[in-house]
Amino acid sequence: EVQLLESGGDLVQPGGSLRLSCAASGFTFSINAMTWVRQAPGKGLEWVSDISDGTGSSTHYADSVRGRFTISRDNSKNTVYLEMTSLRAEDTAVYYCAREGSAIDRWGQGTLVTVSS
Amino acid sequence: DIQMTQSPSTLSASVGDRVTITCRASQSISRWLAWYQQKPGKAPKILIYEASYLEYGVPSRFSGSGSGTEFTLTISSLQPDDFATYYCQQYNSYSWTFGQGTKVEIK
Repeated sequence: EVQLLESGGDLVQPGGSLRLSCAASGFTFSINAMTWVRQAPGKGLEWVSDISDGTGSSTHYADSVRGRFTISRDNSKNTVYLEMTSLRAEDTAVYYCAREGSAIDRWGQGTLVTVSS
Repeated sequence: DIQMTQSPSTLSASVGDRVTITCRASQSISRWLAWYQQKPGKAPKILIYEASYLEYGVPSRFSGSGSGTEFTLTISSLQPDDFATYYCQQYNSYSWTFGQGTKVEIK
């Protein structure tokens, strides 16, 4: 069974940094691209970033996070990361890790990031 | 970025009703469109990919159609488990984008 378990969500002050992790199991992690999607409280879904399969040589970012967030992967640990810097109040959201297959075909349960002073 | 617009934003329906949700893209996305269902406090779940392909395990009362800029999700006979929010998403080009969501409520 495919499982994606996010961790690292926390309360952080504006301007601060945070690293999210997503541990994957139940599939051959290295052959799937991975993505992060977020959802602000009471709002819709917003795609954040993705990373290609294999070495992760190709990455993409939403305009709202480009230059502040960095996605990476460690296939030896079956884990994908999202490094977030210069955090803003508008980054407050549940962050979902997800697998790309037929579109976004498996999702984690999410981790909450709150940016507030 | 490609804008995705869903209609309606809210839909009130009864069990057994046929329900249709529309999603329009601001430019052609071919058939690179997915539909997701989300229930409160839960992660989204994929229903349809490439506009009309039913994800394995999804009930056959769900169907998708369309190409280019106009797409529909149809639930042929609404069941109690189907009351949720539905999102379309384009993955034709980056940045990927979602529609604003359609909440299906009990009438």
